[in-house]
Amino acid sequence: GAGVSQSPSNKVTEKGKDVELRCDPISGHTALYWYRQSLGQGLEFLIYFQGNSAPDKSGLPSDRFSAERTGGSVSTLTIQRTQQEDSAVYLCASSFMREQFFGPGTRLTVL
Amino acid sequence: TQLLEQSPQFLSIQEGENLTVYCNSSSVFSSLQWYRQEPGEGPVLLVTVVTGGEVKKLKRLTFQFGDARKDSSLHITAAQPGDTGLYLCAGAWNAGNMLTFGGGTRLMVKP
Repeated sequence: GAGVSQSPSNKVTEKGKDVELRCDPISGHTALYWYRQSLGQGLEFLIYFQGNSAPDKSGLPSDRFSAERTGGSVSTLTIQRTQQEDSAVYLCASSFMREQFFGPGTRLTVL
Repeated sequence: TQLLEQSPQFLSIQEGENLTVYCNSSSVFSSLQWYRQEPGEGPVLLVTVVTGGEVKKLKRLTFQFGDARKDSSLHITAAQPGDTGLYLCAGAWNAGNMLTFGGGTRLMVKP
């Protein structure tokens, strides 16, 4: 379909390892967002890309978290030296106007 | 930091009952959105409200935006088991697309 896709759907890793999460937004959407959701709670904003502007990184919880968006399309969220508290569902969304369209998320489990 | 308080956090009701979910902030929203999320999926937009006092209806769901644009409510009439899910409100405080999400209301409708 033409929706937002994320990969992998599930990721289990060991504490201290690095992980990369991928987001493919809807074609033509200029904005891309990453959120974190713990145990079915509300969404915690992480980072926001809008066109060619510098990303808003104000929600990143530590310098272990980084994200990039290549060619204004695909985005990768990288978590270095993962910790158990990083375990959560990581959601990506894209938008053209006000409505945000979400992907199914990546469930990250850090053992 | 703008905060969105959502209540109740959990709601378990019988099929056919009515319910209301509230979303409140001390700040004025430029717009507010309501999303519904099912397990294993990303949130899906239900409605966007922009004008103070605005009321929108979506079948058995009625959404209200407070006159001062600081609060909103979602009312479900004659709830059905298919309404079960996590309901999220999300507010924007400027003309941009950035959203802050409430903590969510987990609704369970028992047959």
